[in-house]
Amino acid sequence: QKEVEQNSGPLSVPEGAIASLNCTYSDRGSQSFFWYRQYSGKSPELIMSIYSNGDKEDGRFTAQLNKASQYVSLLIRDSQPSDSATYLCAVNVSWGAQKLVFGQGTRLTINP
Amino acid sequence: KAGVTQTPRYLIKTRGQQVTLSCSPISGHRSVSWYQQTPGQGLQFLFEYFSETQRNKGNFPGRFSGRQFSNSRSEMNVSTLELGDSALYLCASSSGDISSYEQYFGPGTRLTVT
Repeated sequence: QKEVEQNSGPLSVPEGAIASLNCTYSDRGSQSFFWYRQYSGKSPELIMSIYSNGDKEDGRFTAQLNKASQYVSLLIRDSQPSDSATYLCAVNVSWGAQKLVFGQGTRLTINP
Repeated sequence: KAGVTQTPRYLIKTRGQQVTLSCSPISGHRSVSWYQQTPGQGLQFLFEYFSETQRNKGNFPGRFSGRQFSNSRSEMNVSTLELGDSALYLCASSSGDISSYEQYFGPGTRLTVT
């Protein structure tokens, strides 16, 4: 079983709509969770981090965490063509240190 | 603040050779992690260094090694290169404080092994 799972997509969303990206993880002891955006040919860019159950909002982005269900999601409101990228879910599986396990990524396309 | 820098950006090597990649973290960051990204395996953790000590290691053979210097800069070495080592090698830096686990990636080094 993969430690972090995401739907690989592609996910196609019309401009202005809400894009919903989902991720599940297997290590129940994980405490920190991240969403990265990666444009083709570029390195991953951190867009959201979340540590506690519930929602965390930053501009058009909302991360949601449910530790009981081992589920993390990212909502992108008012989607723009510039949001078209691969979105990577990452989970830190190391207590007090750094070891990110990544999902395979979801390719998102925003259609004008 | 300047971001994470990696050198070189591109590298072509022959099977059997060795290679050293360099990473300079964000100023003030003490933790440096290395990842390998390939189309088939995605992003995989190699190792993490904090205050010149390796704190975590991924499931890679011993041909992959690293080190960190007192100024937090880090190097990664791959010996006896194989064709399968062709990948994007990414370095990420973090403050290392337990209050923040956020990692910021550099632009990567694209290694091609022929």
